[in-house]
Amino acid sequence: DARVTQTPRHKVTEMGQEVTMRCQPILGHNTVFWYRQTMMQGLELLAYFRNRAPLDDSGMPKDRFSAEMPDATLATLKIQPSEPRDSAVYFCASGLIGSYYGYTFGSGTRLTVV
Amino acid sequence: AQSVSQHNHHVILSEAASLELGCNYSYGGTVNLFWYVQYPGQHLQLLLKYFSGDPLVKGIKGFEAEFIKSKFSFNLRKPSVQWSDTAEYFCAVNARYSSASKIIFGSGTRLSIRP
Repeated sequence: DARVTQTPRHKVTEMGQEVTMRCQPILGHNTVFWYRQTMMQGLELLAYFRNRAPLDDSGMPKDRFSAEMPDATLATLKIQPSEPRDSAVYFCASGLIGSYYGYTFGSGTRLTVV
Repeated sequence: AQSVSQHNHHVILSEAASLELGCNYSYGGTVNLFWYVQYPGQHLQLLLKYFSGDPLVKGIKGFEAEFIKSKFSFNLRKPSVQWSDTAEYFCAVNARYSSASKIIFGSGTRLSIRP
């Protein structure tokens, strides 16, 4: 089965440190989403890309978060500097616009900022 | 902009009971609708989807959902739940013909099944 690969699976870091999360979308998918999941806020859409171009990153705190797709096989989400309130599970999902098959989620990166 | 409401935050059922989880969306145009399931400690998995055609959609593991356009609803049902259905269930929507369409999720419904 094709899958979305996220690394690392778990990350513990100290406040103020830079964190980079990576996502390898399914080959051929042209849309990539980044979501953050917390108990309090549920699933929040942070940013998404279509054909590597950012379409909407309004859900992201711009001062510390950045999302990029340097190529079609890699999406990154960076937090600099990290804060304890950033602790969450970050999911990447990819899909093909107009596809009947919906969107596939990765296993997530569980981030803990201490 | 689209939005999704899931009415039940936490549902507790006994095994073999019937399940219905509510989902209503808000959007004036044509939508695609999804139900995702998240088992404890795992990622989201697609349970079923509606794009067009028969409004009664059958998914995996015996789940089904009915799209009622007049009510802007897409409720999830299962006639007889099992302990293994314990999970969180998310309804999601995206605008079908928007070039900048994004998937918006509801807040989720946690389902607990008593053995």
